[in-house]
Amino acid sequence: GAGVSQSPRYKVAKRGQDVALRCDPISGHVSLFWYQQALGQGPEFLTYFQNEAQLDKSGLPSDRFFAERPEGSVSTLKIQRTQQEDSAVYLCASSLGTSGGPEEQYFGPGTRLTVT
Amino acid sequence: AQSVTQPDIHITVSEGASLELRCNYSYGATPYLFWYVQSPGQGLQLLLKYFSGDTLVQGIKGFEAEFKRSQSSFNLRKPSVHWSDAAEYFCAVGSGYSSASKIIFGSGTRLSIRP
Repeated sequence: GAGVSQSPRYKVAKRGQDVALRCDPISGHVSLFWYQQALGQGPEFLTYFQNEAQLDKSGLPSDRFFAERPEGSVSTLKIQRTQQEDSAVYLCASSLGTSGGPEEQYFGPGTRLTVT
Repeated sequence: AQSVTQPDIHITVSEGASLELRCNYSYGATPYLFWYVQSPGQGLQLLLKYFSGDTLVQGIKGFEAEFKRSQSSFNLRKPSVHWSDAAEYFCAVGSGYSSASKIIFGSGTRLSIRP
């Protein structure tokens, strides 16, 4: 079956531009996570959705970062006024979200953002 | 706070040789532990996970890991590596016990295979 997909796969933005990154989770998955992976580092948590509700945004690095999942499926991560330090791979992951316990998260291929 | 340490940044092994990647975690209770693999340009693929029960966990692609509470370790092993195993490997711990729990990753170990 289809996995998690992300678009675009690569994005180059000039400093100060706004960008929008899209995530299509596995159909029926309730939980959706965004992670940021800087070069040579492990992914770091940004935010979590349960259906359309954003229940945890503790990892968002600044108020320039905004995420939404309005219909409980597709999610968009928006970065306003991009800065060079925003250059990273942005990973989306989804999981069933119905087991009541820890679950395997399925990751998309990521969007590599380069801010010039 | 929970954390994961992978002390080896880069390891090179010969094809056919055995492999052990080290991982230590910091967690106040029984951890939920994962190993993920990331090939260039690819997303993260789960190799194996430990939630409870038998401390020796079998995963995909011939990998296994052993949870040792006394050492706060969850080392990944493979008896004989293949050239296709060259990739970045991440050890990770779940932040809690619900489906909402985020995953906390180590900084990764890059595995190279010598022909």
